[in-house]
Order: sequence, then C-alpha cells, then structure tokens
Amino acid sequence: NSKVIQTPRYLVKGQGQKAKMRCIPEKGHPVVFWYQQNKNNEFKFLINFQNQEVLQQIDMTEKRFSAECPSNSPCSLEIQSSEAGDSALYLCASSRDIPSAETLYFGSGTRLTVL
Amino acid sequence: QQKVQQSPESLSVPEGGMASLNCTSSDRNFQYFWWYRQHSGEGPKALMSIFSDGDKKEGRFTAHLNKASLHVSLHIRDSQPSDSALYFCAARDSNTNKVVFGTGTRLQVLP
Repeated sequence: NSKVIQTPRYLVKGQGQKAKMRCIPEKGHPVVFWYQQNKNNEFKFLINFQNQEVLQQIDMTEKRFSAECPSNSPCSLEIQSSEAGDSALYLCASSRDIPSAETLYFGSGTRLTVL
Repeated sequence: QQKVQQSPESLSVPEGGMASLNCTSSDRNFQYFWWYRQHSGEGPKALMSIFSDGDKKEGRFTAHLNKASLHVSLHIRDSQPSDSALYFCAARDSNTNKVVFGTGTRLQVLP
C-alpha cells in the first residue's frame, strides 16, 4: 500500500474551473515531486519541492499551475483554469533526500477529467 | 531533449516463463536507473534500482546495466499473472537530479 497519500482519487471539472489536489508525502520525506501521466502513459515532470522550497519547475507550471508544500499541511497542486488537455493522472512522489540515488515513492494519483 | 526508450511496447509471456524488458537512454549524464511497476489504478512502485555496471538480482527480478551502451534491462523469471502491469524504466541525471521516465512496456502474463 502507498504511504504517499493523494486525495481525491478522482476529480471532474469543467473547462475553466479550478482543480485542486493534495498529497501527504511519506513520513520523513522532505522532497516532493508532482508528475502528470497522460493517457499514453507518458510522464511529465511538473514541479518538485524540498520542504517548502521549490527546487525545479517547468514553464507550464508557472502559468496555470501552482503548487505548494506548506509546513505541517498537505502539499497541493492547483490548476487555475482547467483545459481539456489537462485530463490526466497526477502523481505525487516523495523521497528522503535530493541526491541522485534516492528512490521516488509514489501515491496512487488523482485522476483529473476536464469535460 | 533527454529520452528514455523502452522496448518492446507490449509483451505476453506464459505463466512461469521469462519476461525480458529493455531500456536505452540518450544521455550519458544518466547514471542512476530504476525499474518501476504500475498496476492498473495505482501509482508506480519501485521494483529495484541499479547504479553499477553488471547484474543485480532481487528474488525473481534481475536488472542488468551497461553504462557504456546506455542500456538497462529487466528480466523476470517464473512470471506470475500478478506481474501483469506497466513497467517503466527511470533514469536520473546526475547533474540536474531530474528523473526521466521511459515510454513503458505493458507485460501480460497468461495463465
């Protein structure tokens, strides 16, 4: 069973609506990643954090996507104005540290459908 | 753009058979490799990591890495129906720490 907890499992939004999903990383894991997995099962990196600080993010994330990992609260990923192309499985992963040899541990994902 | 290509796209093996999955990366900065398995409706789960040239065995799973050819493989012996899933190779860039996932192989183990 995943120790990374993602909610909700399913999210349905209309175009232009906000979509927000949450992630509780595995205990003791300060590094959090968000990936988008499309219908072709391709992974796209969105953003990652160490504690509350953004480490890396893609350009797309800077525009309609926002994410945060506040202290003592779940991490979140929000899409300000959903588009049909945002329909995907959003995966949160955590790891113990940022060095290259650390394994990512994934949650079960939030499946977003934009109508 | 960094790429990790997997082959075959799909694979069917009989129960008890051997499944062999392949992964080739395009960038010599990729120094750390993982195999992940994703069952339907779930997130990916790390099966094993491999960072050094040669073989690494964990139970029924054996990974092989050849850094010179940028090739990593996964061999599953005595395949079980529960092994039916999507398998992803992941590579981490030692300079940027970015993790890039492969295109995936869908494995079906037939009872």
